[in-house]
Amino acid sequence: EDQVTQSPEALRLQEGESSSLNCSYTVSGLRGLFWYRQDPGKGPEFLFTLYSAGEEKEKERLKATLTKKESFLHITAPKPEDSATYLCAPQGEGAGNNRKLIWGLGTSLGVNP
Amino acid sequence: KAGVTQTPRYLIKTRGQQVTLSCSPISGHRSVSWYQQTPGQGLQFLFEYFSETQRNKGNFPGRFSGRQFSNSRSEMNVSTLELGDSALYLCASSLDHYGYTFGSGTRLTVV
Repeated sequence: EDQVTQSPEALRLQEGESSSLNCSYTVSGLRGLFWYRQDPGKGPEFLFTLYSAGEEKEKERLKATLTKKESFLHITAPKPEDSATYLCAPQGEGAGNNRKLIWGLGTSLGVNP
Repeated sequence: KAGVTQTPRYLIKTRGQQVTLSCSPISGHRSVSWYQQTPGQGLQFLFEYFSETQRNKGNFPGRFSGRQFSNSRSEMNVSTLELGDSALYLCASSLDHYGYTFGSGTRLTVV
């Protein structure tokens, strides 16, 4: 059965204190893994898509990496505006054209000034 | 370019009533997916429409239904509302499995 687990559930950092968020997954026929950021009361905002093990992508203070079993979202020198819930969603290859995203519960990140 | 538009933003309904939510995707996107989000369950997939056809369906009761029009706009309907249906309902549009853009959601409260 396809599964995804994100850890930690919540994380509080001081401004400038770097850390990593983890997304462990078991998905048949991985087609891609998506990272999103979600602010309270809003829809998720797209950050990255990773397609194969070894791939890395960066955007400002964020870097996402992918292995065959995990993805990491590294946050370097975070700022208070990075506070949000970060969601990962691997996409499996369903029958025919039925690819589905399997969503983790997210990591709630708070950054203190 | 305009993003994904969901209406209404907020809705309060009484148990037993029905509700219709609307989603206008990004121009050119033919896929629209719907999700229910609650604090304890996270994002739960409802269904996906592509070119007016339901392509994928999650594990929700038949009270939840949807449709897509020829202009790719989509609606979802929930009949016989229950208290547990209170949630943020999100739709996401994509070209076809590549890069999903979400709307701001409709916050449904059932009293």
